[in-house]
Amino acid sequence: AQKVTQAQTEISVVEKEDVTLDCVYETRDTTYYLFWYKQPPSGELVFLIRRNSFDEQNEISGRYSWNFQKSTSSFNFTITASQVVDSAVYFCALSLYNQGGKLIFGQGTELSVKP
Amino acid sequence: GAVVSQHPSWVICKSGTSVKIECRSLDFQATTMFWYRQFPKQSLMLMATSNEGSKATYEQGVEKDKFLINHASLTLSTLTVTSAHPEDSSFYICSAREGQGTGELFFGEGSRLTVL
Repeated sequence: AQKVTQAQTEISVVEKEDVTLDCVYETRDTTYYLFWYKQPPSGELVFLIRRNSFDEQNEISGRYSWNFQKSTSSFNFTITASQVVDSAVYFCALSLYNQGGKLIFGQGTELSVKP
Repeated sequence: GAVVSQHPSWVICKSGTSVKIECRSLDFQATTMFWYRQFPKQSLMLMATSNEGSKATYEQGVEKDKFLINHASLTLSTLTVTSAHPEDSSFYICSAREGQGTGELFFGEGSRLTVL
């Protein structure tokens, strides 16, 4: 069975701190995709990144960076120099190649960045 | 990027009535759309996969007679909550996949349903 675990339910940091959101996934498939989405209070899902299972290169996009390690089945997300606007719920998700795009979401991590 | 639009954004209805939520892909054709439900402070749970021109595939535990899904065209899928009850109050989100296979996924803005 497939599963995504975000062990951190809530994280609170002060502005300018770095913060890492953990994501651990389970699947026996060899071809899959991992995602991170941001859900601000307004509710809409904002796509942040998609990574396929064959690409373990870390990625950096501005203040965001992702660390994908197949050996530990983890796909962690780091925000550097956090800002108040980063406050949101962040979801990690898994999609199997042979299931055509169905996403299995983690429980989400609510990040609160205080000024 | 591609846009997926949901309507209405929020709806309040009386218990026992039916509510229809639309999901449209505005600038691409979506062979497959997905419907998720999110209760407050919880994750998104897939309800069903909607395939254009065929019956939807429902996840285990989702009542197909209560949540009617129609995907009559390549740009529109609808979710109808029939005989709604307060426990159906939730945030419903659709996503649409561009093209086949593992095409990019785009999410709608979500529709918040409150059943009184």
